[in-house]
Amino acid sequence: DTGVSQNPRHKITKRGQNVTFRCDPISEHNRLYWYRQTLGQGPEFLTYFQNEAQLEKSRLLSDRFSAERPKGSFSTLEIQRTEQGDSAMYLCASSLSSGGSTDTQYFGPGTRLTVL
Amino acid sequence: GENVEQHPSTLSVQEGDSAVIKCTYSDSASNYFPWYKQELGKGPQLIIDIRSNVGEKKDQRIAVTLNKTAKHFSLHITETQPEDSAVYFCAASIRLRGGKSTFGDGTTLTVKP
Repeated sequence: DTGVSQNPRHKITKRGQNVTFRCDPISEHNRLYWYRQTLGQGPEFLTYFQNEAQLEKSRLLSDRFSAERPKGSFSTLEIQRTEQGDSAMYLCASSLSSGGSTDTQYFGPGTRLTVL
Repeated sequence: GENVEQHPSTLSVQEGDSAVIKCTYSDSASNYFPWYKQELGKGPQLIIDIRSNVGEKKDQRIAVTLNKTAKHFSLHITETQPEDSAVYFCAASIRLRGGKSTFGDGTTLTVKP
């Protein structure tokens, strides 16, 4: 068990450029979540997948954001036409959904995005 | 939707003292309450969690209590050490709604040696 990994760890881009982040969950975890965290705030939910199906998207996720999990393993989060307000830490978490109790989410180290 | 409030926003204690962080939640359907520790430049790390059918849980120096009626839950750290210094987040989630978590805004804990 190597934990949740995210790449890149840091990304600096100019306003208007597109960026893509990758998340590799803990192996065999069937749920994958994306959160966004700005300075001094707790993580805010963006979207989540169960296997390859995207089951929920937050209203925070504008049309410029798209997430995929094509084979139910790794996931990508793309932001098109970045804006300065997109600057934040993007966190990925994974969990193993099972009948009964709520799943425990394990977070990756995050990708720090800075939009100039 | 769910709303989680966390207090205090900053907490400073002397090494060896206890620290208590409190959270309230709004949605009575929430049934899972994790606590995370986040160090600078890192992702949140789960330190303890509690489910709605349990009132208290303890793991060495860390304990969490839950009052479902009042919709309160608290983190207790005893015998604090300088390495406990970090930002702590509480969260609430609902199993039937995908388990997504709603987080508080965090408490910055400083343990002075």
